[in-house]
Amino acid sequence: AQSVSQHNHHVILSEAASLELGCNYSYGGTVNLFWYVQYPGQHLQLLLKYFSGDPLVKGIKGFEAEFIKSKFSFNLRKPSVQWSDTAEYFCAVNPPPGTYKYIFGTGTRLKVLA
Amino acid sequence: DVKVTQSSRYLVKRTGEKVFLECVQDMDHENMFWYRQDPGLGLRLIYFSYDVKMKEKGDIPEGYSVSREKKERFSLILESASTNQTSMYLCASSPPGPNSPLHFGNGTRLTVT
Repeated sequence: AQSVSQHNHHVILSEAASLELGCNYSYGGTVNLFWYVQYPGQHLQLLLKYFSGDPLVKGIKGFEAEFIKSKFSFNLRKPSVQWSDTAEYFCAVNPPPGTYKYIFGTGTRLKVLA
Repeated sequence: DVKVTQSSRYLVKRTGEKVFLECVQDMDHENMFWYRQDPGLGLRLIYFSYDVKMKEKGDIPEGYSVSREKKERFSLILESASTNQTSMYLCASSPPGPNSPLHFGNGTRLTVT
């Protein structure tokens, strides 16, 4: 069955620290991957997406993610976090063929200390 | 920029009440979704609609129904609210095609007492 795992449920970092949030998926077929972010009090918004091509994808606000097919992973990275990156981050996979059910991970809450 | 508007940010209802959650999108998207967001459980799909008057059950449809009479509006209905339906409800829309990113509303935090 298709699934997405985010093993880090809560992450606390100091400003300027580097960030890597894990995302592993189980999916049979062509995979498209997404990272969404939800800042406190705001709506979920797309951070970046991977459909094909260069496995290193750059998104908004200095975030990037790398698709590693052999590891079934799509980890989110940022070299130097800011207090304003405090948010909840969700990894997601496209719906299996014939459905509209995007598959979401359970989310990672990131807190950045000023 | 796509705007998905949910009519209420916070709602408090009593057990047994009929509850309507409204969602409107302004980008002429065919697809609309209702999710429920609970801590540690991520986003769970309640219902989605791919066209006017068309709907399909998601993963947790029990206790909910939906209505889509116009393309821009997708309503979630709790026929008889229960305390275990206390949650954050997220509406989303997307263009046609299953690989399009979702555009979310701000959410409605519903408390059932």
